[in-house]
Amino acid sequence: QSALTQPASVSGSPGQSISLSCTGTSSDVGGYNYVSWYQHHPGKAPKLLIYEATNRPSGVSDRFSGSKSGNTASLTITGLQAEDEADYYCYSFTSGHTYVFGTGTKVTV
Amino acid sequence: EVQLVESGGGIIQPGGSLRLSCAASGFTFRDYWMHWVRQAPGTGLVWVGRITAEGSGANYADSVKGRFTISRDNAKNMVYLQMNSLRLEDTAVYYCAKIPVGVVSALDVWGQGTMVTVSS
Repeated sequence: QSALTQPASVSGSPGQSISLSCTGTSSDVGGYNYVSWYQHHPGKAPKLLIYEATNRPSGVSDRFSGSKSGNTASLTITGLQAEDEADYYCYSFTSGHTYVFGTGTKVTV
Repeated sequence: EVQLVESGGGIIQPGGSLRLSCAASGFTFRDYWMHWVRQAPGTGLVWVGRITAEGSGANYADSVKGRFTISRDNAKNMVYLQMNSLRLEDTAVYYCAKIPVGVVSALDVWGQGTMVTVSS
């Protein structure tokens, strides 16, 4: 159950677009479309942004979008805003019927 | 309002036991699978385990298997995390979270977390 690999940090200017990657294996990210993404501001509860790789829950800004190719899932944030500064985690179901988070990416605006 | 509230955290010595509780409200609790997730200080989120809606089965991360047990009481809208043989590395904020019906990977509602500190 090794953590999925995410870049430690990504930065961007207000209004720009950034993309966060999440790399796993064929036993997790690559084997299923059961990948979700979370935004986590320290001291608060994590917030679901994307589920099943590409689906956005109601109420989540359409500035957030997800995709997947092979063993890598991606979260794209467009029109970057100051409030987007947070930690972001991917999360995947695995072949062992367990789950695994990514290592997390700190986004700086 | 859909809400999850964890309780039961505290300071415990290595080797000790602690039971965390998670109170659910605002939704039909018995219909949802529930998960526990933790975050050690300065590190990322880590999946701990999950329990089925009926409470008939649970899966665990290797790091806690055999030491932690998840259970639930659907009559009381509660899910529990029994933690035994605690280690220093179990120190973390523990969150409970729910998954929508029919979805495999989407923790859509989270509690605020409860802190567990394992220290001698």
